Amino acid sequence: EVQLVESGGGLEKPGRSLRLSCTASGFTFGDYAMSWFRQAPGKGLEWVGFIRSKAYGGTTEYAASVKGRFTISRDDSKSIAYLQMNSLKTEDTAVYYCTSTHYYDSSGEVYFQHWGQGTLVTVSS
Amino acid sequence: QSVLTQPPSVSGAPGQRVTISCTGSSSNIGAGYDVHWYQHLPGTAPKLLIYGNSNRPSGVPDRFSGSKSGTSASLAISGLQSEDEAAYYCQSYDSSLSVVFGGGTKLTVL
Repeated sequence: EVQLVESGGGLEKPGRSLRLSCTASGFTFGDYAMSWFRQAPGKGLEWVGFIRSKAYGGTTEYAASVKGRFTISRDDSKSIAYLQMNSLKTEDTAVYYCTSTHYYDSSGEVYFQHWGQGTLVTVSS
Repeated sequence: QSVLTQPPSVSGAPGQRVTISCTGSSSNIGAGYDVHWYQHLPGTAPKLLIYGNSNRPSGVPDRFSGSKSGTSASLAISGLQSEDEAAYYCQSYDSSLSVVFGGGTKLTVL
């Protein structure tokens, strides 16, 4: 059974940093791209970014709203994906989800297969 | 403002059929990129409902179906049940923006 467990959320002040982790099990982690999403209070799902598998260079793509502040990385030996969030803003307050991601090697498209339960990040002074 | 446009809400009585539209443009759905659908019940993890325009992952009932034409796609839910009450999101890829999502549609079962 695929399991994705996010951790590292909590309360942080604006301008500070926070690192989220997503621990995966039940599938061959290194074969999959991994993604992060978020849902702010009362809003819809927002894609944050994804990281390709090493077979496709382990490169990343990000939403414009977080590009330059957030970084996704992965440790295939531990089956963990990370979301490093720097220069936090109050508008980053949200539940953050990680997902396993199917990557179309022919076109670069993706879709999101399995989702974790999420971890809450609150940015407030 | 989401790149893909969905109606904010739809509703239907138990047993009825409802459809949720997802409208994009020539740089995403109209460019031939696939459309995928997700179901999100409050307080739970979102779930992949339809992938590749019309394919259901194992475990998703055949009451759920997807289609795509031109720059739009649709999710149809037949035999509506109370447990279908959730938010539904469409997703595709954009040649300029990468991953694009709809703003979500809240389904109410009357």
